[in-house]
Amino acid sequence: QVTLKESGPGILQPSQTLSLTCTFSGFSLSTYGMGVGWIRQPSGKGLEWLANIWWDDDKYYNPSLKNRLTISKDTSNNQAFLKITNVDTADTATYYCARIRVPGYNGPFDYWGQGVMVTVSS
Amino acid sequence: EIVLTQSPTTMAASPGEKVTITCRASSSVSYMHWFQQKSGTSPKPWIYDTSKLASGVPDRFSGSGSGTSYSLTISSMEAEDAATYYCLQRSSYPYTFGAGTKLELK
Repeated sequence: QVTLKESGPGILQPSQTLSLTCTFSGFSLSTYGMGVGWIRQPSGKGLEWLANIWWDDDKYYNPSLKNRLTISKDTSNNQAFLKITNVDTADTATYYCARIRVPGYNGPFDYWGQGVMVTVSS
Repeated sequence: EIVLTQSPTTMAASPGEKVTITCRASSSVSYMHWFQQKSGTSPKPWIYDTSKLASGVPDRFSGSGSGTSYSLTISSMEAEDAATYYCLQRSSYPYTFGAGTKLELK
């Protein structure tokens, strides 16, 4: 049974660094073809892909966030992380992590966490 | 970056009505993937690799398309289908989502 759960600070101030954790079970990020992605959604708006990390430590980022993103993983503890530096109010959103596998399996983002709400406010 | 344009943005359908949502890509993509999201919940995988139904998706749903034009079709609208549907391309980075189509029950 695959599960994912996001955790984060809830609220932070502009210019701070947002640190998010995705704790998962039912799969391993050391297995060939496995990955974890981060997606966010401002309230009432659409989905925005942020970053992926793969079993081989390959990392991909959304260039729209201009080098503010860092994705990493702790394979031993079944966790993935996302940091966003220099946040502002536009980063207020629900942040999701989701499992992804290389093409040929059951589609991208086949399991999602429940999401964590993050508010940036002074 | 590949831009995905969904249409319509919102629509309402009566029970039993056929529904078609389209997703056009600014450049050719190999496959299109679709997600369903209901208010207050996480998106669910719905259709992947253009036409394959995710686990548990009713067979009144179908997907089709190629190149730059893709669609999600409901053969006969049911109340439980009211939701927002998003398309996603993963053919090239950055992955991009469409803006969503909100489907309501008439």
